[in-house]
Amino acid sequence: AQSVTQLGSHVSVSEGALVLLRCNYSSSVPPYLFWYVQYPNQGLQLLLKYTSAATLVKGINGFEAEFKKSETSFHLTKPSAHMSDAAEYFCAVSGEGGKLIFGQGTELSVKP
Amino acid sequence: DSGVTQTPKHLITATGQRVTLRCSPRSGDLSVYWYQQSLDQGLQFLIQYYNGEERAKGNILERFSAQQFPDLHSELNLSSLELGDSALYFCASSAGTRIGELFFGEGSRLTVL
Repeated sequence: AQSVTQLGSHVSVSEGALVLLRCNYSSSVPPYLFWYVQYPNQGLQLLLKYTSAATLVKGINGFEAEFKKSETSFHLTKPSAHMSDAAEYFCAVSGEGGKLIFGQGTELSVKP
Repeated sequence: DSGVTQTPKHLITATGQRVTLRCSPRSGDLSVYWYQQSLDQGLQFLIQYYNGEERAKGNILERFSAQQFPDLHSELNLSSLELGDSALYFCASSAGTRIGELFFGEGSRLTVL
């Protein structure tokens, strides 16, 4: 069965600093992996996805993630945090029928 | 705006009651997914429908049921409500052609008192 684990339920960075949100996956088949973002009082929206093409995936708002099979990881990064990046971020793996299996989420705070 | 509409946005009810949550998917999307988000359980997949038929089932309680109608809107019925059912219920839709690309509504927040 597929699953994802997000390390750290809360991450705090200063504006302009590097953002690193960690995700490890478990899958018996080559996985499709995703990062979604949830802004306050909104639904989730897709940031980026990995579908076995390039291992470095670029998404919206300057975010990117690298698929590392040897480490079973799919960490999300952004070189320079902006106040508007404050949100909850979810890593997910695709399951049966196209459903998504989400991690517990990481809340990102950005300090001025 | 994702194009997915959920009603009601907020709902307060009492234990033992029954409620219905409604979801209108994006135009043309055939798949509808229901998720429950709570502080202790996180985002849990409940059930998926594709063009009116149940496609996948997750951690959905027997007290809960769902259906997708011919016009593709979906309803999630929650009955014999308990305090622990208080949560944010999300509907998402997809065209089915791009794996994992789900479009989420803003959710229905259910409070059971």
